[in-house]
Amino acid sequence: IAGITQAPTSQILAAGRRMTLRCTQDMRHNAMYWYRQDLGLGLRLIHYSNTAGTTGKGEVPDGYSVSRANTDDFPLTLASAVPSQTSVYFCASSVAENNEQFFGPGTRLTVL
Amino acid sequence: GQNIDQPTEMTATEGAIVQINCTYQTSGFNGLFWYQQHAGEAPTFLSYNVLDGLEEKGRFSSFLSRSKGYSYLLLKELQMKDSASYLCAVLGGSYIPTFGRGTSLIVHP
Repeated sequence: IAGITQAPTSQILAAGRRMTLRCTQDMRHNAMYWYRQDLGLGLRLIHYSNTAGTTGKGEVPDGYSVSRANTDDFPLTLASAVPSQTSVYFCASSVAENNEQFFGPGTRLTVL
Repeated sequence: GQNIDQPTEMTATEGAIVQINCTYQTSGFNGLFWYQQHAGEAPTFLSYNVLDGLEEKGRFSSFLSRSKGYSYLLLKELQMKDSASYLCAVLGGSYIPTFGRGTSLIVHP
């Protein structure tokens, strides 16, 4: 692994299903973030983690949960997907919260 | 709360100079970032300002005025590959980042 990866690349999901988006970084960055990007709305922060073992809510956390069991992984879970969660999801990491962020390639999620 | 404004779209000619503005209102301030995002790709870091003044990096420069809540990204000698969205992001007092909606720059020959 080099940098930050996300899986899957894209997914079509039935409403009501549970889904976990995966994010892994090998840069030993302390801070990690999940964003959704929708046309006309820009990047909006869902959840973040400043260090392993801690998480916080961003601007649009409802319907999403995260965990940070170790430094490298930061999965995002949709407990019961709804069509309004159709979006492109980006994971990002940074050395610390006041440093530049490195973004993963994104996951395109469609909820029908 | 945080409020960040930047123009939705700008157009410019290859070889020219373009300035993309960003104004912000935040609770506390710990820095301002600019990112570039090509269509269908992830954002990539361009610049970071935390003190007032101009930061120059090759063809790109970024300016910050904390008292005015204002920043701009200056792109010189525009190339076709500079056609992209440019995202302004502010770190507020809690170090939580907030992004503007982005400025789509179209460079034409």
